[in-house]
Amino acid sequence: DVKVTQSSRYLVKRTGEKVFLECVQDMDHENMFWYRQDPGLGLRLIYFSYDVKMKEKGDIPEGYSVSREKKERFSLILESASTNQTSMYLCASSLWPGVGGELFFGEGSRLTVL
Amino acid sequence: ELKVEQNPLFLSMQEGKNYTIYCNYSTTSDRLYWYRQDPGKSLESLFVLLSNGAVKQEGRLMASLDTKARLSTLHITAAVHDLSATYFCAVADDKLIFGTGTRLQVFP
Repeated sequence: DVKVTQSSRYLVKRTGEKVFLECVQDMDHENMFWYRQDPGLGLRLIYFSYDVKMKEKGDIPEGYSVSREKKERFSLILESASTNQTSMYLCASSLWPGVGGELFFGEGSRLTVL
Repeated sequence: ELKVEQNPLFLSMQEGKNYTIYCNYSTTSDRLYWYRQDPGKSLESLFVLLSNGAVKQEGRLMASLDTKARLSTLHITAAVHDLSATYFCAVADDKLIFGTGTRLQVFP
């Protein structure tokens, strides 16, 4: 089974703090993704990566950055957290070439910014 | 721009009944996925539909794809409480576009 592991299930941070969300997958997938999920807005793509050191902006990249130093690990960084970044963050990976492939999701990280 | 619409958004149904969730999308695609999400949990892949006329079944759930009509359906047969969850369809374009989800609640 594909396993996508997100390091923190629940986080509470203060406005202005730097936040790191870590994601590791164990199936040697090329593609990794970060989404956020908000009630009424569905899933929105923040960033994705085709390969190590590669990153591409999704639909809502503002206020976020990412890092992919190793194939299995994709980190989402909030440089200065704000209250409107309170959300559920979902990491996913995919083997399919390109970004239209079946996604395997981690358990999610629920972030609250006070 | 690809748009994906699901309906209904909310479905409350009695155990033992049948119902269908619809997923319409606006531009051509040959790949469609169905996911399930339990409250507070992440998304779990249910079905991958890769061609026109594709039909997949798992237990009480059956998914189908009509690429000409740009429509997929998720049919629930003889619903049970364990099927209560939110169901998402996702359509492949240059990226996966998710529908807004259908929250299904099955009561006795």
